[in-house]
Amino acid sequence: DAKTTQPPSMDCAEGRAANLPCNHSTISGNEYVYWYRQIHSQGPQYIIHGLKNNETNEMASLIITEDRKSSTLILPHATLRDTAVYYCIVRVHSGVTGNQFYFGTGTSLTVIP
Amino acid sequence: EAGVAQSPRYKIIEKRQSVAFWCNPISGHATLYWYQQILGQGPKLLIQFQNNGVVDDSQLPKDRFSAERLKGVDSTLKIQPAKLEDSAVYLCASSLGTGTSYTFGSGTRLTVV
Repeated sequence: DAKTTQPPSMDCAEGRAANLPCNHSTISGNEYVYWYRQIHSQGPQYIIHGLKNNETNEMASLIITEDRKSSTLILPHATLRDTAVYYCIVRVHSGVTGNQFYFGTGTSLTVIP
Repeated sequence: EAGVAQSPRYKIIEKRQSVAFWCNPISGHATLYWYQQILGQGPKLLIQFQNNGVVDDSQLPKDRFSAERLKGVDSTLKIQPAKLEDSAVYLCASSLGTGTSYTFGSGTRLTVV
């Protein structure tokens, strides 16, 4: 089962920063937070991941709170092509299966012109 | 690098018929996953392979679903017989190992009528 909760939908004006929150209050110390997005009719696409520290790449920034119970994905300058469903995932580790991703229902982000 | 290839892209069948989906992962990726995504929901893990062996099939409805990855490369997922509730997008993903991010294919959209 998914270990995360996200708002079902959000809007963002084009050119502004999109801040997508995620709660993962039961996360364990060695579990990573991953973000994927899914544009209509495509498979999910990897965005970014982190453990404790804030992370940044060419697509987005990930801010993880000090207690690791929540995080925020930041798209610094949203474009219309960023309209998608964004999934926050806690990567679950098992000694038998290794690491697995359990998806929740995600946040549907709509970027408005 | 080439992505994860899936075929067919779309499939419409009648209930009680059989159907098979094919996945070719990224070259060198040892771990392969099949997910089922019902409309409006996040992807749900069905089965995980490590090379040609099954690591986790705990969520696979084994009375009607089967999957194989005989040579540790391509994989097929079969449904026999199909039910109306099997209508979904079937996503294949691969990764170098279980500790890395997944790359997803575009999926096969199955409609059972």
